[in-house]
Parts: sequence; structure tokens; C-alpha cells
Amino acid sequence: EAGVAQSPRYKIIEKRQSVAFWCNPISGHATLYWYQQILGQGPKLLIQFQNNGVVDDSQLPKDRFSAERLKGVDSTLKIQPAKLEDSAVYLCASSFLAGGTYNEQFFGPGTRLTVL
Amino acid sequence: DAKTTQPPSMDCAEGRAANLPCNHSTISGNEYVYWYRQIHSQGPQYIIHGLKNNETNEMASLIITEDRKSSTLILPHATLRDTAVYYCIVRPFQGAQKLVFGQGTRLTINP
Repeated sequence: EAGVAQSPRYKIIEKRQSVAFWCNPISGHATLYWYQQILGQGPKLLIQFQNNGVVDDSQLPKDRFSAERLKGVDSTLKIQPAKLEDSAVYLCASSFLAGGTYNEQFFGPGTRLTVL
Repeated sequence: DAKTTQPPSMDCAEGRAANLPCNHSTISGNEYVYWYRQIHSQGPQYIIHGLKNNETNEMASLIITEDRKSSTLILPHATLRDTAVYYCIVRPFQGAQKLVFGQGTRLTINP
């Protein structure tokens, strides 16, 4: 079974530039998550999709971050404009949606963003 | 905020059992205990979860105290590949709830 795919793996940009990250979840997984992991901290949820609808985006800085999940499959996360404090690893995860069972989250390898 | 407390770091000799503690004194009745780990430069990986009974799978064992205020993850025969940050998370059982990560425990397995 193929895992969660993310690209690019690394990205270096200057502050005020824009950047986009792509995620392809495991086939059949209805729920997709984007987490931000700052160095030395645990991941923090930015946004959660169920199919192509947003379930939770309460911690997404909406003035600069946006995300979409067209057709309920792939997703992109965009930052525009980037700030120094956005330097982090951006993790995508997906889970199968089924009632009555624990839906393990499968994580991709992440995209490491450095903002200079 | 995370609802768990874990030691920031631990060491264990290769081949020995690694016992990772977690305190979750405010856990509520409908919340489970989950463990994930994150190996360097990888995304987190699910290990095990439980409610009140001890659980075991091919990766680890989970021991939850009777009052459910603390738990211990046991890696019975640690290998160098078990070096990682281990996260203890409590949350309701519902399938698609987000994970709230704390700082975790950085476990180092020494040869």
C-alpha cells in the first residue's frame, strides 16, 4: 500500500515570498490533515478536511495560509506571504473514515520549509 | 494544549525493555490513550492505543493504571531503530478527531 506522498521535501524561500505544498493521501482515505511542526515541538494541526469539506481550521492563520482539497483527493497548502516564523516542517496525514473504529492517521514525510 | 506530561528524554540499552511513562491525570471517561512515535526526518507513526485494559501488539505493550491517570508504553526488546520521539496523546475515540501533540519523550537506544 502506497503511503502519503508530499512534495517538495525541502523548500527555501525569502520572507514575503509565496510557497505551496502538495499532498496525495492514501487511496480511499476520506480525512486529510495538515500539521505544522516547529523545531523541537510536536506537530500542531492547521486544517482538517473530510472529503473536500473543511472540518477544523481553527488554528490556520487565514490571513496568510490557505488550503484546498479539490475533488476530495489531493490537497495543497499555500503560504502567502511567508514570514520567518513559518519556518517549520509541514506534515500531511490521512485517515480512513469508518464509524465505530479507531482511524489511525498515516503521516507523510513532510516538507521542510526555511524562510530567510 | 496537550493533556499529557512526559519526561523530555530517556536512554535505554539495546536489547533491554524501554518503559516510557505518561501522566494524564485529567483524562475523562470517554478518552483513550494513544501513542505515536516520530523517527528523525519522518512523520509520526501510530504505535498503540487503549482505554483501560492493557494492550499489546507487534510493536509494543501499553499498561494503563486502574485509575487511568497514567500509563506506560513498553518496548520489550529495544533496538537502535526504536530511537525516536514518543508522543502520548489522550482524546475521544471518534475516528477522525485531530491529534494534539505535546513535546513527547526523546528515547535514545544505546548500543
